[in-house]
Amino acid sequence: QVQLVESGGGLVKPGGSLRLSCAASGFTFSDYYMNWIRQAPGKGLEWVSYISSSSSYTNYADSVKGRFTISRDNAKNSLYLQMNSLRAEDTAVYYCARMYGEYYGMDVWGQGTTVTVSS
Amino acid sequence: DIQMTQSPSSLSASVGDRVTITCRASQSISSYLNWYQQKPGKAPKLLIYAASSLQSGVPSRFSGSGSGTDFTLTISSLQPEDFATYYCQQTYSTLWTFGQGTKVEIK
Repeated sequence: QVQLVESGGGLVKPGGSLRLSCAASGFTFSDYYMNWIRQAPGKGLEWVSYISSSSSYTNYADSVKGRFTISRDNAKNSLYLQMNSLRAEDTAVYYCARMYGEYYGMDVWGQGTTVTVSS
Repeated sequence: DIQMTQSPSSLSASVGDRVTITCRASQSISSYLNWYQQKPGKAPKLLIYAASSLQSGVPSRFSGSGSGTDFTLTISSLQPEDFATYYCQQTYSTLWTFGQGTKVEIK
């Protein structure tokens, strides 16, 4: 079945780095834009980044620009988020989600992986 | 950045009620507006895309309308499984943004 599974979350100290992964299955991964969205404890959703189907275009929220890098490997059906210079305010559940295009919404989401930034 | 403002932030309603949630954009976003439902501890679920298109598998009691800056999500007859938090999201600009959410609680 269509599925996205995130991994790589954990506890990291401020200033540290972490790499999240999202494994896709059950659909043609290379047909879809992919996104990272996060949700801080008790807070709403925050879009973090997206990458086009062929990796030709990426974009980032201002809160993570210059610190996070999104990438994908269509041969491995995988999406990644490299997070550097982590701050306490980056603590959140991170979700990956697919999107056929800007007009179609994020129709499949992973279960989320938790990132905690604390000393 | 385009700001998305939802109202109300929370509401109490009974099973069978008609519920309307509004979302206002700080500038025109055409119809690049999506609605999501999220239950505690779960990932969000897409309900409506392109302002008024019902996502496959979503019950027809959910509907969306609007264009430009003002949008609404309507639940025609609230069911027990609809108690959740609802978010709007714009994908018009290069920086996509969500509304702050509307929590629908049982009266």
